[in-house]
Amino acid sequence: AAGVIQSPRHLIKEKRETATLKCYPIPRHDTVYWYQQGPGQDPQFLISFYEKMQSDKGSIPDRFSAQQFSDYHSELNMSSLELGDSALYFCASSPPGTSGHNEQFFGPGTRLTVL
Amino acid sequence: AQSVTQLGSHVSVSEGALVLLRCNYSSSVPPYLFWYVQYPNQGLQLLLKYTSAATLVKGINGFEAEFKKSETSFHLTKPSAHMSDAAEYFCAVTVPSGTYKYIFGTGTRLKVLA
Repeated sequence: AAGVIQSPRHLIKEKRETATLKCYPIPRHDTVYWYQQGPGQDPQFLISFYEKMQSDKGSIPDRFSAQQFSDYHSELNMSSLELGDSALYFCASSPPGTSGHNEQFFGPGTRLTVL
Repeated sequence: AQSVTQLGSHVSVSEGALVLLRCNYSSSVPPYLFWYVQYPNQGLQLLLKYTSAATLVKGINGFEAEFKKSETSFHLTKPSAHMSDAAEYFCAVTVPSGTYKYIFGTGTRLKVLA
């Protein structure tokens, strides 16, 4: 079965650089979520999209932006990177008929290291 | 507001012993609850979910969880631990609005001793 695809899997950047993370949801899933997991921490919600429209926003820094495209893939853009942005970034998707009981399917994550 | 609390950031059990990972929730509405497992350097995999259909939920890999409203708990259990169960386990609750984002607990790292 198709899964959520994230690229790249690993990314190393210098401080103040920019990074773009990509997410390809499971086909026919209409909702995409982004989470950030710091070292030894639980995943924290960043932002979500429903049918290509931004829906919910969590504790996402102003330096970050995201969008979902017509083919439903999503990109998380991160500028002016800081050391504290080093984390595992997960994308998840959920199927149509979004409601509380729909599970989210997680990708393998992108590990971002800021030097 | 929705939240979950996982008691015990680290749990060690012997192989073959009972696994019990604790999760307590706080929710202003009937909650939807989930347990996920995360192996090192991997994504999150759903173990099981509670959606009010049944209070005892069976999941993958022999895990199950019981929803107890009176105790606001959703503890995860497995009768007999296997070495392959060593991983990080997260309890999550959905926020009942918008896209139903997850609020995760702080996780419990399970160690299985030979």
